[in-house]
Amino acid sequence: KNQVEQSPQSLIILEGKNCTLQCNYTVSPFSNLRWYKQDTGRGPVSLTIMTFSENTKSNGRYTATLDADTKQSSLHITASQLSDSASYICVVSEAGGFKTIFGAGTRLFVKA
Amino acid sequence: DAGITQSPRHKVTETGTPVTLRCHQTENHRYMYWYRQDPGHGLRLIHYSYGVKDTDKGEVSDGYSVSRSKTEDFLLTLESATSSQTSVYFCAISSEGRRNEQYFGPGTRLTVT
Repeated sequence: KNQVEQSPQSLIILEGKNCTLQCNYTVSPFSNLRWYKQDTGRGPVSLTIMTFSENTKSNGRYTATLDADTKQSSLHITASQLSDSASYICVVSEAGGFKTIFGAGTRLFVKA
Repeated sequence: DAGITQSPRHKVTETGTPVTLRCHQTENHRYMYWYRQDPGHGLRLIHYSYGVKDTDKGEVSDGYSVSRSKTEDFLLTLESATSSQTSVYFCAISSEGRRNEQYFGPGTRLTVT
């Protein structure tokens, strides 16, 4: 069964610190992996998208990595800000088909 | 929210009543999607559209129907609302298929009492 598992479920960090969120998937064959940020009460907004041949992609203070062999991805947030408080969702799409699986998300709280 | 609006933004309705949610886009994207988001679950696809009058079922389509009579509008109807349909509903659009970049609307919070 195609699945996307994210960890941790929630995380609290102090402003200015770094953190890393994890995403493991079993979707096969693999097409791409996306990370979204979802602020409370709003729709998800795309941060990065990576295909099989890409193993890192940055968007400002956000850096996503992908290991297609182990089917793992991580999202690293550098020098966190209060505005980084949100849910971060990992999304994996299947190649050759229409299936796209959303993870349940990691809820990040950044405290002053 | 990338030229996507949803209406209403909040709705409370009673079990057994029909409910229609509207998604409107100004991006002229071909694909439109309806998802529901529940605590502890990822976004789950209800229905999608790949063109005017062209729609198909997603993973959790039971109890829902959709219509798309114009490129810019995609309607989601709960034929007879049940408490299990209490959720936050998101519309999304994309110019390519579902594997590609999707842009999400602000969501509609629906409560069925």
